[in-house]
Amino acid sequence: DAGVTQSPTHLIKTRGQQVTLRCSPKSGHDTVSWYQQALGQGPQFIFQYYEEEERQRGNFPDRFSGHQFPNYSSELNVNALLLGDSALYLCASSYTTGGLSTDTQYFGPGTRLTVL
Amino acid sequence: AQSVTQPDIHITVSEGASLELRCNYSYGATPYLFWYVQSPGQGLQLLLKYFSGDTLVQGIKGFEAEFKRSQSSFNLRKPSVHWSDAAEYFCAVAPQRALTFGSGTRLQVQP
Repeated sequence: DAGVTQSPTHLIKTRGQQVTLRCSPKSGHDTVSWYQQALGQGPQFIFQYYEEEERQRGNFPDRFSGHQFPNYSSELNVNALLLGDSALYLCASSYTTGGLSTDTQYFGPGTRLTVL
Repeated sequence: AQSVTQPDIHITVSEGASLELRCNYSYGATPYLFWYVQSPGQGLQLLLKYFSGDTLVQGIKGFEAEFKRSQSSFNLRKPSVHWSDAAEYFCAVAPQRALTFGSGTRLQVQP
């Protein structure tokens, strides 16, 4: 049973560039959440996707956007990169039944983004 | 808004000793509570969770946690620590869909 997978593992970009990170959820899961983990801190919630729509968003600017595909995989896009966007980006998957999330999220290994 | 406090940034224990990591949360009702572990450069692995019912929950790797409503706490315990337990431990609360994490406790294990 494949767990949550993310690509790429590492990424180096320069300020002002745009980046796309990818996530495939655990088998049987239909909900994907994205988190940003800065060095030495706990993860912070960016947003969650279900049925191809963003259904909850954390305190992140519009430069952060996402997408969910019919196969439940997801992308996180960040535009106009800033030095402060350097972090580990974690994807988590869960499943939603009857409109209610199970609230148990399983995490992928993350993508380490470095902005120079 | 909900919040999680992990008072101990760094803890060092000897191998074989017992362990308790503290977690306090702030939320108006009974939340869903979680403990995750993160090895260096890795993602988060779920250790255990509390949704309702028995306030003492068992997890993987010999860990357990106790929910105490009166103290708004959800402390993680292990009776005998192994060198492989060295990692970063995060407590999280999920009253809704988004997990809110504490800042983590780094555990070092001395031989």
